[in-house]
Amino acid sequence: ETGVTQTPRHLVMGMTNKKSLKCEQHLGHNAMYWYKQSAKKPLELMFVYNFKEQTENNSVPSRFSPECPNSSHLFLHLHTLQPEDSALYLCASSQVPPGGYAKNIQYFGAGTRLSVL
Amino acid sequence: TQLLEQSPQFLSIQEGENLTVYCNSSSVFSSLQWYRQEPGEGPVLLVTVVTGGEVKKLKRLTFQFGDARKDSSLHITAAQPGDTGLYLCAGILMEYGNKLVFGAGTILRVKS
Repeated sequence: ETGVTQTPRHLVMGMTNKKSLKCEQHLGHNAMYWYKQSAKKPLELMFVYNFKEQTENNSVPSRFSPECPNSSHLFLHLHTLQPEDSALYLCASSQVPPGGYAKNIQYFGAGTRLSVL
Repeated sequence: TQLLEQSPQFLSIQEGENLTVYCNSSSVFSSLQWYRQEPGEGPVLLVTVVTGGEVKKLKRLTFQFGDARKDSSLHITAAQPGDTGLYLCAGILMEYGNKLVFGAGTILRVKS
């Protein structure tokens, strides 16, 4: 148990569906992240939220829409996805030091395995 | 071209053997981390190294950070089936805005 919980663990959706991934962290951290993990490729950072503000969007297609209502919860809304979006989506959290910003020592959830048909 | 290269990509060994996996970059890391990811789970942090030349040990695992802080290695002594998993290195690269960058990982399979 890493203190970061992701739901659902598995999701199968059609290209016309709308679904949402949920992440909750119980570590008191103030930064949260979405990553995409595909086979044989490095983890791809998608979004970063720092103190509930989105601070990074790494050229992610608009069919992925993040939402961070508070520092403990993070959502990833999905719509009109493509088959190549099938992957493991990982959420992570970390503690940002006062007056600075550091993306180190991240704690990961178990991920949502997404299949787009 | 990846900022951070890991080798080998895949390693299958017998229980009791030793192994080393490598993590290399042409850029300098301000710090580097090693994670292990088991099937169906997210990555779990094993160690963080910060100082060039630093060596850290975690039971049968030995982590080394290169003197120039551009490379790192993970050595496992007497591997056990429980060591099976994906080993990821991740480094904070100063010249890339202190971003945390991950390698593609080394898949380790230890057979009993």
